[in-house]
Amino acid sequence: DAKTTQPNSMESNEEEPVHLPCNHSTISGTDYIHWYRQLPSQGPEYVIHGLTSNVNNRMASLAIAEDRKSSTLILHRATLRDAAVYYCICSKAAGNKLTFGGGTRVLVKP
Amino acid sequence: DAGVTQSPTHLIKTRGQQVTLRCSPKSGHDTVSWYQQALGQGPQFIFQYYEEEERQRGNFPDRFSGHQFPNYSSELNVNALLLGDSALYLCASSLISFSTDTQYFGPGTRLTVL
Repeated sequence: DAKTTQPNSMESNEEEPVHLPCNHSTISGTDYIHWYRQLPSQGPEYVIHGLTSNVNNRMASLAIAEDRKSSTLILHRATLRDAAVYYCICSKAAGNKLTFGGGTRVLVKP
Repeated sequence: DAGVTQSPTHLIKTRGQQVTLRCSPKSGHDTVSWYQQALGQGPQFIFQYYEEEERQRGNFPDRFSGHQFPNYSSELNVNALLLGDSALYLCASSLISFSTDTQYFGPGTRLTVL
């Protein structure tokens, strides 16, 4: 699985957008880009995933660079409940193993 | 629809003992993966079970073993416990035919080894 690089932490004000970058320069053509988040004292939770095109769902948007070597998770209006560690993961389609890095700890200030 | 459940919630053991952790997957899922999460770190993949067989394994010693039952539930066994085995153990389930690998995680079992 491709190694991912994320900032250790980010801060945001409530109701403002949050842009979480992720670098995955060694991503292969069959790797999907997944984002999971882990709220305090809980297991990781699926956020969004994509292959080549930008994706939107009720939780977030995923913007994927044209060369697929980087991506950005966008939380459109951060709430206090979005405070969590966000993990960017590249995973081959055929396998179910997820390789977690250190993630980005997001702090949302009221 | 119940999500992934794990038992027990917390467990305290002493060095050298053996422990068994249990996981019930989300309804309709056929694959169970186990992860170890040390304090302050991301989860690390231990192994994955499908059709009652170990399908993939991470870089963990043979002291870590597992089992999957016909109803898709799973157990993680750790023998000869070490202090370093203290961690949150997470179970995740998925449907193997779903190619994008979305996994649903349980709340975890917190294991403390004294």
